[in-house]
Amino acid sequence: KNEVEQSPQNLTAQEGEFITINCSYSVGISALHWLQQHPGGGIVSLFMLSSGKKKHGRLIATINIQEKHSSLHITASHPRDSAVYICAAGTTGTASKLTFGTGTRLQVTL
Amino acid sequence: GAGVSQSPSNKVTEKGKDVELRCDPISGHTALYWYRQSLGQGLEFLIYFQGNSAPDKSGLPSDRFSAERTGGSVSTLTIQRTQQEDSAVYLCAGRLPGPDTQYFGPGTRLTVL
Repeated sequence: KNEVEQSPQNLTAQEGEFITINCSYSVGISALHWLQQHPGGGIVSLFMLSSGKKKHGRLIATINIQEKHSSLHITASHPRDSAVYICAAGTTGTASKLTFGTGTRLQVTL
Repeated sequence: GAGVSQSPSNKVTEKGKDVELRCDPISGHTALYWYRQSLGQGLEFLIYFQGNSAPDKSGLPSDRFSAERTGGSVSTLTIQRTQQEDSAVYLCAGRLPGPDTQYFGPGTRLTVL
């Protein structure tokens, strides 16, 4: 069993839809990261959170420490949101070394 | 300012050759990480440098892999006697003191023929 699991693996949505990507982890974490990888490979850090909720523009990330679960939400999705979204756990005692989920490939169509 | 840079962006080599991949972090990045992303696979941790401490090499897949970080800045990842299974995108990330946010470079795509 992977230490960090994401669902769904693939997601297709129409422009304007509300999108949710889920991440479950089985390790103790110092922080949970959400990353975005566009075609071409560049990776951008979207959020780092250890509790509660963070919002940046149309993106919202939440985490439930007790349930070891995090979600990434995209409101009013747009084709430019098409990318792979990766959840990563910064595990406790490992100096922020990240353990990655396998990613969710999102395609937003017009 | 400029982000984390990596060179070369693409490297094609023959099986058995040695390769060196370079990472230039942003000034002030006290921590530096190397990751690998194989085709169809997720990202995996390789090695981590923090200041003058001994690096965490726990993710290196074999003794053919080594890395160094000179002067707390530039890092090189060396793969000796490359094998086809080493083909992947190698990513470097830097982190400032304090916050855990990592800043990723664009990666080096390594192809071993």
